[in-house]
Amino acid sequence: AQTVTQSQPEMSVQEAETVTLSCTYDTSESNYYLFWYKQPPSRQMILVIRQEAYKQQNATENRFSVNFQKAAKSFSLKISDSQLGDTAMYFCAFSTPAGGTSYGKLTFGQGTILTVHP
Amino acid sequence: DAGVIQSPRHEVTEMGQEVTLRCKPISGHNSLFWYRQTMMRGLELLIYFNNNVPIDDSGMPEDRFSAKMPNASFSTLKIQPSEPRDSAVYFCASSSRTGGEKLFFGSGTQLSVL
Repeated sequence: AQTVTQSQPEMSVQEAETVTLSCTYDTSESNYYLFWYKQPPSRQMILVIRQEAYKQQNATENRFSVNFQKAAKSFSLKISDSQLGDTAMYFCAFSTPAGGTSYGKLTFGQGTILTVHP
Repeated sequence: DAGVIQSPRHEVTEMGQEVTLRCKPISGHNSLFWYRQTMMRGLELLIYFNNNVPIDDSGMPEDRFSAKMPNASFSTLKIQPSEPRDSAVYFCASSSRTGGEKLFFGSGTQLSVL
């Protein structure tokens, strides 16, 4: 079974600064996807960024980037130039093909509450 | 596109009552997922459908829970009878085969069973 661990229950950062959220996972699969989802107080789950395990290049989406270390099974999220709107719960998630029918069986970490202070 | 639409947004009911949660996936998506979020257990997959067929329901906690997908544009999650420990946020999500790894979530239903 796959597991996803987020060791930081809460983090805080000053506006405009950079923060890194940690995530580790455990799997015996070689083909998988990793994701970071954001859940603001509105409750909506929003996909922030995703990484294919077979790609060595780290994914980047504007101010969001990941540090993917496959051998260490580590997948951290870096948020640059933090904004007040980044305040949310952040979930790391893992997905593998389910019999080839779907990648959507996400296993989530417990989440990290990020607060951005003005 | 309006995204994944869930209703109701909030549901308050009494123990023993039947509860039905509804979901309309994004048009063209062929996979649909029901997740439950609680403080204690985090986000858990309950069941998922592919082309309207249930593929894996191993996450459904008890026989009190049932899910259906009568057509490509509608799914229900029913709890009968409901219990206070069912109180949670229930999310519906959908994805397509062509971009299968991207899951799009609805706004969730906050269920409170008194």
